[in-house]
Amino acid sequence: NAGVTQTPKFQVLKTGQSMTLQCAQDMNHEYMSWYRQDPGMGLRLIHYSVGAGITDQGEVPNGYNVSRSTTEDFPLRLLSAAPSQTSVYFCASSYMDSANTGELFFGEGSRLTVL
Amino acid sequence: LAKTTQPISMDSYEGQEVNITCSHNNIATNDYITWYQQFPSQGPRFIIQGYKTKVTNEVASLFIPADRKSSTLSLPRVSLSDTAVYYCLVGEIYNFNKFYFGSGTKLNVKP
Repeated sequence: NAGVTQTPKFQVLKTGQSMTLQCAQDMNHEYMSWYRQDPGMGLRLIHYSVGAGITDQGEVPNGYNVSRSTTEDFPLRLLSAAPSQTSVYFCASSYMDSANTGELFFGEGSRLTVL
Repeated sequence: LAKTTQPISMDSYEGQEVNITCSHNNIATNDYITWYQQFPSQGPRFIIQGYKTKVTNEVASLFIPADRKSSTLSLPRVSLSDTAVYYCLVGEIYNFNKFYFGSGTKLNVKP
């Protein structure tokens, strides 16, 4: 059982470049989300999804796009990378029914540096 | 949205019991209390969740007083591998987009 898989683990971009961070889960979770974590700080929610075809903005959505075409995948797109987007990005997923605990499952993270 | 307050850091020694208290004065009736653990360069990991009184699992215990305005995560006999950041979150179960990860408590376990 792979859980939540993020790729790539590391990426260096130049200002203005675009890229996609991939997130896939094999637990049939309805809920998926993206967070960013800056040094010494907690996690801030970027975007989230409660099912295929449904996405919504979190606390810090500017500069990022998401889509949810399948239950398993939730890619995060950086449209035009800026140095302020240098951060560690975490994908998380969970069930949303009462048969399960409200536990978020996190990926290992993707460390992004924008020069 | 119930905000939480927890100590920025704590020190302990191996073998000791560690108690981390979280204050959440504005907790709502439907809110649960959830704790996560995060090691360096890893994603957070769920530890324990509760609504009231006491919850215990193989990793930790969670104590919640009757007024639910605070909670205490108890880690029995910590080891060096328990050095991590611990986050206290308060919110309606399954309303994950409302969960607020603050700066957490950095626990440093010394030999």
